[in-house]
Amino acid sequence: DAKTTQPPSMDCAEGRAANLPCNHSTISGNEYVYWYRQIHSQGPQYIIHGLKNNETNEMASLIITEDRKSSTLILPHATLRDTAVYYCIVRPTQNYGGSQGNLIFGKGTKLSVKP
Amino acid sequence: SQTIHQWPATLVQPVGSPLSLECTVEGTSNPNLYWYRQAAGRGLQLLFYSVGIGQISSEVPQNLSASRPQDRQFILSSKKLLLSDSGFYLCAWSDFNYGYTFGSGTRLTVV
Repeated sequence: DAKTTQPPSMDCAEGRAANLPCNHSTISGNEYVYWYRQIHSQGPQYIIHGLKNNETNEMASLIITEDRKSSTLILPHATLRDTAVYYCIVRPTQNYGGSQGNLIFGKGTKLSVKP
Repeated sequence: SQTIHQWPATLVQPVGSPLSLECTVEGTSNPNLYWYRQAAGRGLQLLFYSVGIGQISSEVPQNLSASRPQDRQFILSSKKLLLSDSGFYLCAWSDFNYGYTFGSGTRLTVV
């Protein structure tokens, strides 16, 4: 089962920031927060990941609370092409073998960017 | 750079027919490989993963099997397809530290 909770859907106006929340209250000390998105009929695409510090790359920013029980993915200037299902996933990065590090998807948040 | 190839892109098969989907990875050695399925309107479900040649782990009981005959080749098979096998099948590889890279997927329709 997925270890995260996300709202099922969100709307955002084009050009505005999209803030996607994720709750992961049972996250372990060795688990990172990963974000992926899936545009319709395509494979999921990696966006960003982090452990406890805020992270930023060319696609998005990731804000993780100090207690690590929740995080927010920020798309600073959403475009119509950002319409997708966004998945928040927690997993360790070290190769523990077995199934501990497998990427398990929940239902995600369907983000609709509107003109 | 690493690339992942998955084919075919679409497939229509009759019930009871066999299935073979192939996935290959280039530009990396000893990757972890995965097969996922997404049924219509549903989430992504992990079917199989492999940490090495000949090593296959199944996450859910089903009508499908997987094999890894070579380091960078992962095959999903079925001897007799069911209607419920229809879906979007995705192959992925991981170097574990950076995350997963997914293929472009195969849309399978069983009729």
